[in-house]
Amino acid sequence: KAGVTQTPRYLIKTRGQQVTLSCSPISGHRSVSWYQQTPGQGLQFLFEYFSETQRNKGNFPGRFSGRQFSNSRSEMNVSTLELGDSALYLCASSREGDQYFGPGTRLLVL
Amino acid sequence: GNSVTQMEGPVTLSEEAFLTINCTYTATGYPSLFWYVQYPGEGLQLLLKATKADDKGSNKGFEATYRKETTSFHLEKGSVQVSDSAVYFCALSDLSGGYNKLIFGAGTRLAVHP
Repeated sequence: KAGVTQTPRYLIKTRGQQVTLSCSPISGHRSVSWYQQTPGQGLQFLFEYFSETQRNKGNFPGRFSGRQFSNSRSEMNVSTLELGDSALYLCASSREGDQYFGPGTRLLVL
Repeated sequence: GNSVTQMEGPVTLSEEAFLTINCTYTATGYPSLFWYVQYPGEGLQLLLKATKADDKGSNKGFEATYRKETTSFHLEKGSVQVSDSAVYFCALSDLSGGYNKLIFGAGTRLAVHP
């Protein structure tokens, strides 16, 4: 069974730009969660989508948004990028609780 | 609010040594507890979990017991290998946010030398 895939794996952007990251969950998984990992703040929950609806949201500014499609694939968008948005963005999919993580997208903001 | 505290690393051990990584938590209610492992350049892998008090999670020689009285979930392994070198994260499910909202500790880096 294929695991969680994330694209792109690496991304370099400049301040003020926006970025869209993609996550394809494991087949049959309807929940997709997103996390930000930084050396300073560690792993922090961004949001969770289930059946195309945002079910939970972490404490991040409105510049961070997401959506989920009918095939459960999810995207997250960060607008007006700041240097502090440089991080590893991980998505995780689940069906009955256990979360399975993808390899992440490493975003560098210059 | 809910939180997880892990022992600071790095933890450096020789091969075949005994491993303990301490994890304590603060939570309302009865969260599920998890250990995840992250190898260099990769995402997180679920190592083991426990869903209620006194449960013991185990996998690949690693074990952890859900201790409600001490609010702890320490990770142990009797004999580590070089291939166990990685960063280990303790986490709990934030019940106020649903099962799929995880709160992580800061992570503990383990380095095992031959």
